Amino acid sequence: SAVISQKPSRDICQRGTSLTIQCQVDSQVTMMFWYRQQPGQSLTLIATANQGSEATYESGFVIDKFPISRPNLTFSTLTVSNMSPEDSSIYLCSAQGGQGGLDTQYFGPGTRLTVL
Amino acid sequence: AQSVTQLDSQVPVFEEAPVELRCNYSSSVSVYLFWYVQYPNQGLQLLLKYLSGSTLVKGINGFEAEFNKSQTSFHLRKPSVHISDTAEYFCAVSDIQGAQKLVFGQGTRLTINP
Repeated sequence: SAVISQKPSRDICQRGTSLTIQCQVDSQVTMMFWYRQQPGQSLTLIATANQGSEATYESGFVIDKFPISRPNLTFSTLTVSNMSPEDSSIYLCSAQGGQGGLDTQYFGPGTRLTVL
Repeated sequence: AQSVTQLDSQVPVFEEAPVELRCNYSSSVSVYLFWYVQYPNQGLQLLLKYLSGSTLVKGINGFEAEFNKSQTSFHLRKPSVHISDTAEYFCAVSDIQGAQKLVFGQGTRLTINP
């Protein structure tokens, strides 16, 4: 399976600022995804990070609030812009394809974000 | 579109007892099925998956699950739990075509009591 790392592991931010989360995979993968896990809740897909093109966002998520980059087959970033306390969540990236197989997503350890 | 229902939000069990975590799904197309585990303050780890073939799948840490197409269920079982199994368990589905996006259930918190 692919090994996925995320930076930072956690952060405390002020309202109105932005935070960029990095996701690195140890091998080339076909697809990368970003999820949000609000406190005590399940995971919700934010977007699919497409290599070399704009991300595909799910209903309720927009590019201005959550810009995503994927410059190559092993790396992606998610920015949480103009943050408010409602953005306090765990943000997880996942990867699919490559050594892990085409049918299974593997997850990073998550970034725990607290917005004051 | 797919949806997943985990019927129990919390399951308390005594150590060495058997456990079953229930998962039902809804989909108009064929799906892949997954169970993930999330230990406190960690990311998600794949426990097991059903793609095709035998309906009984075995995973890590002694867990197994059975796919029942007629009942659209994928219940997770372990014959004897350990304190270290205390975690949040998520059932998820993806369609076998297209982008294979995962849809998660609400999760079941498994608490093992000594």
